[in-house]
Amino acid sequence: GQQVMQIPQYQHVQEGEDFTTYCNSSTTLSNIQWYKQRPGGHPVFLIQLVKSGEVKKQKRLTFQFGEAKKNSSLHITATQTTDVGTYFCAGPNNAGNMLTFGGGTRLMVKP
Amino acid sequence: DTAVSQTPKYLVTQMGNDKSIKCEQNLGHDTMYWYKQDSKKFLKIMFSYNNKELIINETVPNRFSPKSPDKAHLNLHINSLELGDSAVYFCASSQDWGPGEQYFGPGTRLTVT
Repeated sequence: GQQVMQIPQYQHVQEGEDFTTYCNSSTTLSNIQWYKQRPGGHPVFLIQLVKSGEVKKQKRLTFQFGEAKKNSSLHITATQTTDVGTYFCAGPNNAGNMLTFGGGTRLMVKP
Repeated sequence: DTAVSQTPKYLVTQMGNDKSIKCEQNLGHDTMYWYKQDSKKFLKIMFSYNNKELIINETVPNRFSPKSPDKAHLNLHINSLELGDSAVYFCASSQDWGPGEQYFGPGTRLTVT
């Protein structure tokens, strides 16, 4: 079945450093979504990318969708303590009726 | 206004008991989901309902029985609870059954002792 993998599993950074998490799917995706889950919280939708090679920015966050639509990345510039949490990517299955979530990347930021 | 709400937030119970978790969404969405998140944070879909009809049942033991009395509610009943059922259970909803943006509830932390 479809697999969605993320690396790294964990990342410790000093406040102000950059951070990137990578997402890879075993199948081509019609879209890729990113969610953020704060410690003790619930996943919150960040963004959806649909087009091959698409790049979207939200303030210090930059999201990319690969040309082959099988991978994606989330880059955070100059991390802040408010960025702490687990970042998940998610892609639809082949039937298009459910999302498969990656294992998440847990970001920890030292002040 | 809470978009997706779940009750209870915490549930501690003993092995063998039966328990229910309730979920309601006030977004007017057609599709609702139950996810299980284990201690390693893996999010795994359990069920999906569209307009009160079961769409997805992802190899979940039949001790788990979802019920959707109307499209705004999706409850989860668990029989004969086992230690391995301990996890955080999230309800979510989306506009329709396609792979669009999902809105998650606050979660129910279930601990089975």
